[in-house]
Amino acid sequence: IAGITQAPTSQILAAGRRMTLRCTQDMRHNAMYWYRQDLGLGLRLIHYSNTAGTTGKGEVPDGYSVSRANTDDFPLTLASAVPSQTSVYFCASSVGTGVNEKLFFGSGTQLSVL
Amino acid sequence: AQSVTQLGSHVSVSEGALVLLRCNYSSSVPPYLFWYVQYPNQGLQLLLKYTSAATLVKGINGFEAEFKKSETSFHLTKPSAHMSDAAEYFCAVSEYNNNDMRFGAGTRLTVKP
Repeated sequence: IAGITQAPTSQILAAGRRMTLRCTQDMRHNAMYWYRQDLGLGLRLIHYSNTAGTTGKGEVPDGYSVSRANTDDFPLTLASAVPSQTSVYFCASSVGTGVNEKLFFGSGTQLSVL
Repeated sequence: AQSVTQLGSHVSVSEGALVLLRCNYSSSVPPYLFWYVQYPNQGLQLLLKYTSAATLVKGINGFEAEFKKSETSFHLTKPSAHMSDAAEYFCAVSEYNNNDMRFGAGTRLTVKP
């Protein structure tokens, strides 16, 4: 069982370029999430999706967009990357959105914007 | 909005010693509280959670945490540290569901032989 697969593992990107981070889960979870992890700030929620076809904004959504065309995939797009988006990005999923629904995390994507 | 503060960005203990990682929370409603662990180059894994049942919560790998409303705290402890416990630990709080979960800045635990 793969769980959550994120790609790429790492990426160096020039400022102003467009980038899509991929996230695929094989657990048929309804809810999916994108977080960014920055030193001294912990994880912050960027966007979430409670079920296929719906998305919502998290704590730090500016500069990012998501889509949820199906249950398994939840790509995160940076339309025009800026250096402040240098971070480690984690995708997560859960069966539902209730607090008793455990979050499962991917291994992360290290993104550097120069 | 809800938040957590983790006291100490880095804690170092000797193998076999007590582990104590501190977390204080702020919430306008009775909170749900969590501890996650992150090993190098991996995503986070749930250690334990408090969801308004017993105030002393036992998790995996011998860790436990106690919810103290009067102190707004949810400190993580383990009686005897093991080398394999070296990792980054995150406290998190939620008021309603996973969508509003807020994480602390993290505490890196180092275990010395």
